[in-house]
Amino acid sequence: GAGVSQTPSNKVTEKGKYVELRCDPISGHTALYWYRQSLGQGPEFLIYFQGTGAADDSGLPNDRFFAVRPEGSVSTLKIQRTERGDSAVYLCASSLTGQGFDEQYFGPGTRLTVT
Amino acid sequence: AQSVTQLDSQVPVFEEAPVELRCNYSSSVSVYLFWYVQYPNQGLQLLLKYLSGSTLVKGINGFEAEFNKSQTSFHLRKPSVHISDTAEYFCAVAYNQGGKLIFGQGTELSVKP
Repeated sequence: GAGVSQTPSNKVTEKGKYVELRCDPISGHTALYWYRQSLGQGPEFLIYFQGTGAADDSGLPNDRFFAVRPEGSVSTLKIQRTERGDSAVYLCASSLTGQGFDEQYFGPGTRLTVT
Repeated sequence: AQSVTQLDSQVPVFEEAPVELRCNYSSSVSVYLFWYVQYPNQGLQLLLKYLSGSTLVKGINGFEAEFNKSQTSFHLRKPSVHISDTAEYFCAVAYNQGGKLIFGQGTELSVKP
């Protein structure tokens, strides 16, 4: 079956612009996660959805970052007034139940470059 | 705050040699432990996981890891590596609530002929 997909694969934007990154999870997975991976670092948790609601958004760095999952499937990560420090690979993952023992399946990521 | 430390940022090794990638985590509560691999230009793929039971866990591609609760470690091993094992390896922990993963900084394994 299809895995987790993310679009676009690459995004270049100017400082101050608004961007949206999309994630399509595996069908039937109730949990969806966003992570950010900076160069030379491990992925860093941003936000976790259980169904349509954000169950844990403690990793969002500031109020310029926002994410939605209106129908409990596709999710969009939104970044306002982008800064050069936002440049990173944004990873999406999904799991069946959202429990800690569940395997998370990762998408290929969106590489965001803010110039 | 919970954290994961991968003690080696880079591990160069010759083909067919054994390798150990080290991982320590900070926690006094029950955790679930994972090793993920990231091949060049690919997404993260699960190698193996420890949930409970036997402390020696076997994964894909001949890798195994041993959970040591007293030392809060979860080191990854392979008795004989191949060129195709060249990749970035990440250790991660999760807790029951929410399941968000906390990753280490990664270890770059470079296998040379």
